[in-house]
Amino acid sequence: DAMVIQNPRYQVTQFGKPVTLSCSQTLNHNVMYWYQQKSSQAPKLLFHYYDKDFNNEADTPDNFQSRRPNTSFCFLDIRSPGLGDAAMYLCATSRDRQAREQYFGPGTRLTVT
Amino acid sequence: AQSVTQPDIHITVSEGASLELRCNYSYGATPYLFWYVQSPGQGLQLLLKYFSGDTLVQGIKGFEAEFKRSQSSFNLRKPSVHWSDAAEYFCAVVPSGGYQKVTFGIGTKLQVIP
Repeated sequence: DAMVIQNPRYQVTQFGKPVTLSCSQTLNHNVMYWYQQKSSQAPKLLFHYYDKDFNNEADTPDNFQSRRPNTSFCFLDIRSPGLGDAAMYLCATSRDRQAREQYFGPGTRLTVT
Repeated sequence: AQSVTQPDIHITVSEGASLELRCNYSYGATPYLFWYVQSPGQGLQLLLKYFSGDTLVQGIKGFEAEFKRSQSSFNLRKPSVHWSDAAEYFCAVVPSGGYQKVTFGIGTKLQVIP
């Protein structure tokens, strides 16, 4: 089945230690998104890629970076995680930029110790 | 500014009872409307969507939603709730035309009691 896959499902990192979260998709969608979701809150868009075009949200901290080496894969890099970065990170895809439907992965739960 | 309101943060219903989750939006024109469900520790799954046409839309898992333009609402309903429906439900809105960011409501957490 076509899907969005995120690895790992659970990630523990130390304060200040760089961490990378991975997302892959078999839907061949042009757009990939990264969301941050804290407990009992709505998902918050960090950035998205339209093909190779990177689009950062204005309020996304510089500590968060992303890479998309090809259509299928997208990575979220947190350069120096703080305690406030502990959250669920959701990857999503959509066929086009009108974002009519987004397909979500299962998420990566990040813990910062 | 565009906004999505889910006025009920938490709802408890008995298994077998009917359910209605409320969603109101504030936009200049009719946007695209969605309901997503999130089980604990999981990603979001699309339940149903409205783009245009028939204002009553059917979704997966026995859910339906009705778009009411006059009330700027898109409420989610299910006639008989099952224990497995316990989850968090997010209403989401995307303005039509061009690239537009999805705006999610704050979510409604549904508890189902036997």
